Amino acid sequence: ETGVTQTPRHLVMGMTNKKSLKCEQHLGHNAMYWYKQSAKKPLELMFVYSLEERVENNSVPSRFSPECPNSSHLFLHLHTLQPEDSALYLCASSQWVNYGYTFGSGTRLTVV
Amino acid sequence: GIQVEQSPPDLILQEGANSTLRCNFSDSVNNLQWFHQNPWGQLINLFYIPSGTKQNGRLSATTVATERYSLLYISSSQTTDSGVYFCAVEGGTASKLTFGTGTRLQVTL
Repeated sequence: ETGVTQTPRHLVMGMTNKKSLKCEQHLGHNAMYWYKQSAKKPLELMFVYSLEERVENNSVPSRFSPECPNSSHLFLHLHTLQPEDSALYLCASSQWVNYGYTFGSGTRLTVV
Repeated sequence: GIQVEQSPPDLILQEGANSTLRCNFSDSVNNLQWFHQNPWGQLINLFYIPSGTKQNGRLSATTVATERYSLLYISSSQTTDSGVYFCAVEGGTASKLTFGTGTRLQVTL
């Protein structure tokens, strides 16, 4: 365990479902991130939160909705996803934005 | 935005061999990091190295910021070194880390 915990590890959902990914860190970090990793592509930054305020929204479709209720928790709410959204979704945290990342183990999402 | 290219894309080594991975970037950077993703998907931060040289055990990294490249050296490779190595940079006009496409390393017995 790295100190950043993601649940679930695997998720299969239909295109009409609604689900949420959860990320939790107790490292005392101030920034949290969602990344998408698809096959043969670089990691894509989706969202950045610093001190619970969203500071980056990287042109992500509205079917992905982040929530950061406090500095230790980050959620990614999913609804009406497409098959091309199937990917590994990685959460990370850092003491300061862009420095000293700790990644979670990821959620492998399959949209059917 | 800033472009990050890594080479080679794939590398197969026999255990005990040495290797050099390269990261080229298209603009000046104030932040450069190397990561290792193991075969189970876990990403670990290896180095924060916007310039200069650092060493950590069998791994070392050098960034020549003026020439816009960074190198990651792996000596006496072990099977546990297998996985994908990513370079990520922050620079130019962007305030986010941009990841390269990675070098996939396989170390065989």
